[in-house]
Amino acid sequence: KAGVTQTPRYLIKTRGQQVTLSCSPISGHRSVSWYQQTPGQGLQFLFEYFSETQRNKGNFPGRFSGRQFSNSRSEMNVSTLELGDSALYLCASSLRGGGAHEQYFGPGTRLTVT
Amino acid sequence: QKEVEKDPGPLSVPEGAIVSLNCTYSNSAFQYFMWYRQYSRKGPELLMYTYSSGNKEDGRFTAQVDKSSKYISLFIRDSQPSDSATYLCAMSVGSQGNLIFGKGTKLSVKP
Repeated sequence: KAGVTQTPRYLIKTRGQQVTLSCSPISGHRSVSWYQQTPGQGLQFLFEYFSETQRNKGNFPGRFSGRQFSNSRSEMNVSTLELGDSALYLCASSLRGGGAHEQYFGPGTRLTVT
Repeated sequence: QKEVEKDPGPLSVPEGAIVSLNCTYSNSAFQYFMWYRQYSRKGPELLMYTYSSGNKEDGRFTAQVDKSSKYISLFIRDSQPSDSATYLCAMSVGSQGNLIFGKGTKLSVKP
């Protein structure tokens, strides 16, 4: 069974621009969660989508948004990029999401904002 | 106080040693506990998943959860250089709770 895929793997953007990241979950999984990983803050939860609906949201500004499509693929968008948004963005795929079901991570998209 | 704290690291051990990694937490509502392994430049890989208190063993890995002490541990027996990675503990409140991660402990196993 194919794992979680994320595209692109690396991205360099300039402050003020916006960016869209994509995540394809494991076949049959309906939940996709997004996390931001930085050396200082570690892994922090952004939001979770299940069956095209945002079910849970972390403590991030409204510049961070996402959506999920009917095939469970998910996109994450960051508008008006700031230097502090430089991070590894990870998505996790799960059968039904939350803590009761195992979450499997993709390789991540490394975003650098200059 | 952060919800999840890890024992200080990084950790360097000789090949074959028993490794003990630990996390403490403050939220007594956590019910689901996981350990992930993350190699450099890769996404986290799920190693162990446990519900509530108790032990779980998988090959060279053993996960322990002590809810009364709010303490979880991961033991690695007969450690190998290929075990060199960052180990992250994670936990969740309930079936729809997001994962809360500890900062991670970087382990180096020397041949």
